[in-house]
Amino acid sequence: EPEVTQTPSHQVTQMGQEVILRCVPISNHLYFYWYRQILGQKVEFLVSFYNNEISEKSEIFDDQFSVERPDGSNFTLKIRSTKLEDSAMYFCASMGTSGGMETQYFGPGTRLLVL
Amino acid sequence: QKEVEQNSGPLSVPEGAIASLNCTYSDRGSQSFFWYRQYSGKSPELIMFIYSNGDKEDGRFTAQLNKASQYVSLLIRDSQPSDSATYLCAVNIWRSNQFYFGTGTSLTVIP
Repeated sequence: EPEVTQTPSHQVTQMGQEVILRCVPISNHLYFYWYRQILGQKVEFLVSFYNNEISEKSEIFDDQFSVERPDGSNFTLKIRSTKLEDSAMYFCASMGTSGGMETQYFGPGTRLLVL
Repeated sequence: QKEVEQNSGPLSVPEGAIASLNCTYSDRGSQSFFWYRQYSGKSPELIMFIYSNGDKEDGRFTAQLNKASQYVSLLIRDSQPSDSATYLCAVNIWRSNQFYFGTGTSLTVIP
């Protein structure tokens, strides 16, 4: 069964450093998403991506964040200058059609720890 | 502000019982509704989605949607200990490529 994959599974970085989180969405899906979940809190939408451009973004997705689809298969989230409060689980998701309805599938996540 | 509200629980039910999980949402433009299961430290796993008023059944799971009351629920019949997890409700707004999640309800099924 096709699945969304993410790398790395864990990332530890120093405050102020740049990190790139990588995702490979399900191959025939057209919509891609990044979410984050701070420990013990709800899943928060960051950004959606369609047709090689950002479709929507939340207030969280400020200038320190960027997304790319560099090669037609990978989908990346870059955090330019990490802050302590960026420590969270970051989930990639892709959306495709199932049972006539578009549905989202999540990757396993990258746990980011900013020290 | 588009809010999705869930009772955080914890909800405890004995094995074999019916677990009932509820979710309300604030935006009347909400189009489709999703239930996810999330085990601790894992990613959300899609259980089922619903977009029409009424009931939708899939195995032991039934989703119920009432758009007039802005309410969606998930029933789990014959609950099993393996159903113990946090259940997340998510909504998608019409013509929006954005999903809003509730905080989740923690369910424990007692053997």
